[in-house]
Amino acid sequence: QQQVKQSPQSLIVQKGGISIINCAYENTAFDYFPWYQQFPGKGPALLIAIRPDVSEKKEGRFTISFNKSAKQFSLHIMDSQPGDSATYFCAASTYNFNKFYFGSGTKLNVKP
Amino acid sequence: GAGVSQSPRYKVAKRGQDVALRCDPISGHVSLFWYQQALGQGPEFLTYFQNEAQLDKSGLPSDRFFAERPEGSVSTLKIQRTQQEDSAVYLCASSLGTGTLPTYEQYFGPGTRLTVT
Repeated sequence: QQQVKQSPQSLIVQKGGISIINCAYENTAFDYFPWYQQFPGKGPALLIAIRPDVSEKKEGRFTISFNKSAKQFSLHIMDSQPGDSATYFCAASTYNFNKFYFGSGTKLNVKP
Repeated sequence: GAGVSQSPRYKVAKRGQDVALRCDPISGHVSLFWYQQALGQGPEFLTYFQNEAQLDKSGLPSDRFFAERPEGSVSTLKIQRTQQEDSAVYLCASSLGTGTLPTYEQYFGPGTRLTVT
């Protein structure tokens, strides 16, 4: 059973638009929710992360929105750029950070 | 080196061969993780080390998979009698793993792409 469900599988956005990727989880013990960006041939790189004690975290053009009651969180990429074209993964971990569960990924294509 | 390195980057094995994949974590990082990433999928947890101790190996798919980190730095993932379903990218990640966030943030290597023919 997949611990973290991610959608959509792929996303096409025009340059300057907003990209939105959604994730949902069931395990209420999850305490840390990172987002990773992966380019072809590279390992995932941490983009931004949130703990459940806040509902939103913003870093530059990237924002995580977190809804604890709905057990959902999402990544918003404002003013999307062609350089943002990559695969994005959400993930979740419990408080001890010893095991991370990843979503299935969203392939983002930003059209110039 | 500045980041996590893995070798080889690509490995082709005939079905039934044994393979060994190496991970060099960031110096001083206590925690080390191995993941398996199938084509078009997210990384799936295989095993976790804290220093030389393997604290969680619940993700290893079968007893053909074995991981070690004997001196608490370099780690090796060994797959015996490889099968076609073992074809995937094997990712290694490390984290400082002490104290509080952000020391638990994971840094990934580029992965080893294993193809079993």
